[in-house]
Amino acid sequence: GAVVSQHPSRVICKSGTSVKIECRSLDFQATTMFWYRQFPKQSLMLMATSNEGSKATYEQGVEKDKFLINHASLTLSTLTVTSAHPEDSSFYICSASWGVGNTIYFGEGSWLTVV
Amino acid sequence: QKEVEQNSGPLSVPEGAIASLNCTYSDRGSQSFFWYRQYSGKSPELIMSIYSNGDKEDGRFTAQLNKASQYVSLLIRDSQPSDSATYLCAVKLGTGNAGKSTFGDGTTLTVKP
Repeated sequence: GAVVSQHPSRVICKSGTSVKIECRSLDFQATTMFWYRQFPKQSLMLMATSNEGSKATYEQGVEKDKFLINHASLTLSTLTVTSAHPEDSSFYICSASWGVGNTIYFGEGSWLTVV
Repeated sequence: QKEVEQNSGPLSVPEGAIASLNCTYSDRGSQSFFWYRQYSGKSPELIMSIYSNGDKEDGRFTAQLNKASQYVSLLIRDSQPSDSATYLCAVKLGTGNAGKSTFGDGTTLTVKP
């Protein structure tokens, strides 16, 4: 079946630095990928839609200059959290749609801790 | 009104019972409906998808869709402690949003041994 893989699963970075999270579709080509953020015990929040070969579409309230998204190929999208701060610490999850009904499949998620 | 609403939890059922999870949506143009399970600290995993009115069964899980009432539900028969998780309802809105789905806030289910 469809598989979406994320890396790294956990990352700790210092405040003020940048960190990159990768999302790969392993069994299929994904022209569109999605990035979510989830704080503990809260619901999924869609951050942006990543479009292969074009600019990402950000949801209202999400800073596009802080959360840089690059979708350079049909199997890879990256999210870079720039100038990270402790309040950016969260669970970041990517997903891609595939198949009948454009079912969304999620990556394993990446825990980001900013210290 | 939220686009996708789920019954507020938490929901607690004894082991072996039927757990019923409900979801309503606001856009009548919605065409695809999904249920995901999310364990604490993990990403969501797909349980079932449903596209047509009626019931769809997969093992202990049954999804029910009623487009006229804009309602989709998930029944878990013979609930097990391992079913304890947060269940997310997702709806694909309209026809133009390539793959974009809207998620409910989730219902947390606890199955007590």
